[in-house]
Amino acid sequence: KQEVTQIPAALSVPEGENLVLNCSFTDSAIYNLQWFRQDPGKGLTSLLLIQSSQREQTSGRLNASLDKSSGRSTLYIAASQPGDSATYLCAVGKTSYDKVIFGPGTSLSVIP
Amino acid sequence: DGGITQSPKYLFRKEGQNVTLSCEQNLNHDAMYWYRQDPGQGLRLIYYSQIVNDFQKGDIAEGYSVSREKKESFPLTVTSAQKNPTAFYLCASSIWRGRGYGYTFGSGTRLTVV
Repeated sequence: KQEVTQIPAALSVPEGENLVLNCSFTDSAIYNLQWFRQDPGKGLTSLLLIQSSQREQTSGRLNASLDKSSGRSTLYIAASQPGDSATYLCAVGKTSYDKVIFGPGTSLSVIP
Repeated sequence: DGGITQSPKYLFRKEGQNVTLSCEQNLNHDAMYWYRQDPGQGLRLIYYSQIVNDFQKGDIAEGYSVSREKKESFPLTVTSAQKNPTAFYLCASSIWRGRGYGYTFGSGTRLTVV
């Protein structure tokens, strides 16, 4: 059974710092991995989607990498801003069907 | 603009009452999903549907029911059998056959038992 974990559960950094969020999964037979952002009381906003054949995806200050063999993905945020404060979730898509497994999320706070 | 619309944003249910949460998408996505989110917990799958007139139970389907009569719509009914329904409910959709595409989420409905 696929299990997805995210470390750390919470992170607080000063504005301007570069940071890395981690996502680990137990079954490397995945189809894709998606990173989401969730603001308090809101739905999830898709940030980046990485196919299993890809190693990384970039969007603005965000870069997500994928290492299937080690069961890990990282989300790199450059030059963090207070507006980046939110919970970040990763979700892994299995190969056999489209249901995804979500990690518990990392709560990020960027201090001005 | 294409997207997913969930309504209402806030919903209050009395004990023993059934309530229905609406989810509509205009993305032409095949698959739709309902998740429940509780404070400090991850998303848990309630029901999902890959095509019209077909749906499958997720991990926590007890006390919930769904229908998929139209591709665009996937309403969720929280029945009186659901003993702890207070939670944040999220609807999502994805393209089923083209598995390279990820999920799109609605803005959620917060249900409270009064």
